[in-house]
Amino acid sequence: QKEVEQNSGPLSVPEGAIASLNCTYSDRGSQSFFWYRQYSGKSPELIMSIYSNGDKEDGRFTAQLNKASQYVSLLIRDSQPSDSATYLCAVGTGGGNKLTFGTGTQLKVEL
Amino acid sequence: DGGITQSPKYLFRKEGQNVTLSCEQNLNHDAMYWYRQDPGQGLRLIYYSQIVNDFQKGDIAEGYSVSREKKESFPLTVTSAQKNPTAFYLCASRGTSSPLHFGNGTRLTVT
Repeated sequence: QKEVEQNSGPLSVPEGAIASLNCTYSDRGSQSFFWYRQYSGKSPELIMSIYSNGDKEDGRFTAQLNKASQYVSLLIRDSQPSDSATYLCAVGTGGGNKLTFGTGTQLKVEL
Repeated sequence: DGGITQSPKYLFRKEGQNVTLSCEQNLNHDAMYWYRQDPGQGLRLIYYSQIVNDFQKGDIAEGYSVSREKKESFPLTVTSAQKNPTAFYLCASRGTSSPLHFGNGTRLTVT
């Protein structure tokens, strides 16, 4: 079992819709969770971090964490074509000293 | 502007040659990391360093070496022992209780 799992996609949503991206992790001791966005050929950029159960909202983005289910998700409201990218889920492991990444979900927002 | 600088952006080498990738940060971050990204495999941790003159192996350290002589610099050497060196290499850093931030990456091609 992979430590951090994501559906590779592509996930296609129409412009203006809500995109829902999901991630599961295996280490129950994980304390920190991140979502990175990566455009093709570019480096990942941090868009959300979450550390406690529940929801965290930042603009059009909402991160949701459920430690009991070992599940973290990212919702993107009012999806725009510029949101088309690969979204990487990262989980803090090894006491938080390193991040383990999922393989990413490719999101396509269609006009 | 503060940030993480990786150079060069593109690097080409012949098989059997060692090559060193540069990573410099002016964010005053203690921890620095090297990740490798291959298509469809997400980011994999090569080495990380939490303090000057100390570093730890990540998940795929074989065929790589690092040094951390200065807080600002964490160069990665890809040796001839690395069997599949062609990849996108990402350097990252983080401060205390802050998320990981990436440089722009170096794309290494070995033929």
